[in-house]
Amino acid sequence: NAGVTQTPKFRVLKTGQSMTLLCAQDMNHEYMYWYRQDPGMGLRLIHYSVGEGTTAKGEVPDGYNVSRLKKQNFLLGLESAAPSQTSVYFCASSHEWQGTEAFFGQGTRLTVV
Amino acid sequence: KNEVEQSPQNLTAQEGEFITINCSYSVGISALHWLQQHPGGGIVSLFMLSSGKKKHGRLIATINIQEKHSSLHITASHPRDSAVYICAVRRSGGGADGLTFGKGTHLIIQP
Repeated sequence: NAGVTQTPKFRVLKTGQSMTLLCAQDMNHEYMYWYRQDPGMGLRLIHYSVGEGTTAKGEVPDGYNVSRLKKQNFLLGLESAAPSQTSVYFCASSHEWQGTEAFFGQGTRLTVV
Repeated sequence: KNEVEQSPQNLTAQEGEFITINCSYSVGISALHWLQQHPGGGIVSLFMLSSGKKKHGRLIATINIQEKHSSLHITASHPRDSAVYICAVRRSGGGADGLTFGKGTHLIIQP
């Protein structure tokens, strides 16, 4: 049982380049989330999805787009990367939005130079 | 002021010591989560609490809803317990927009 899988695990981008982070879960969860983790700060919500075909903005959505075309996948896109987007990105999923635990991926360390 | 505050930020202890990490929050919640993050690794859920106390192995988590406070205890600590421990709350009435996280407590257990 893989749980939540993120790809890639590491990436270095040049300013202005684009990329897509993939999150895949095999637990048939409805809810999926993208967070970023920066030094000295708690995880912050970028975007989330409450089901296939739906997405919503979180606390820090600027500069990111997401898509949930399939229930098991949640994609995070950076159209034009900026150094401020250097961070560790975590995907998470849960069966319900409350009352159940969240399952996290291993993280993607992104550096924008 | 952050909605979720953890203390201490950093903690170094000797193997075998009893460890306590505290979490205070300032909002109404429906649940509180304790998470563990190993260096370079992912995040693992340890506990989800809405009241009382839960125990798993050497880990114990308690919550006092009236005082808006939770503690994570580790008994007979071991170097493999070295990690960042994160408290997160799900705000009551907050909808499906995920958890609000503390900044984490960096724990080092020395042999």
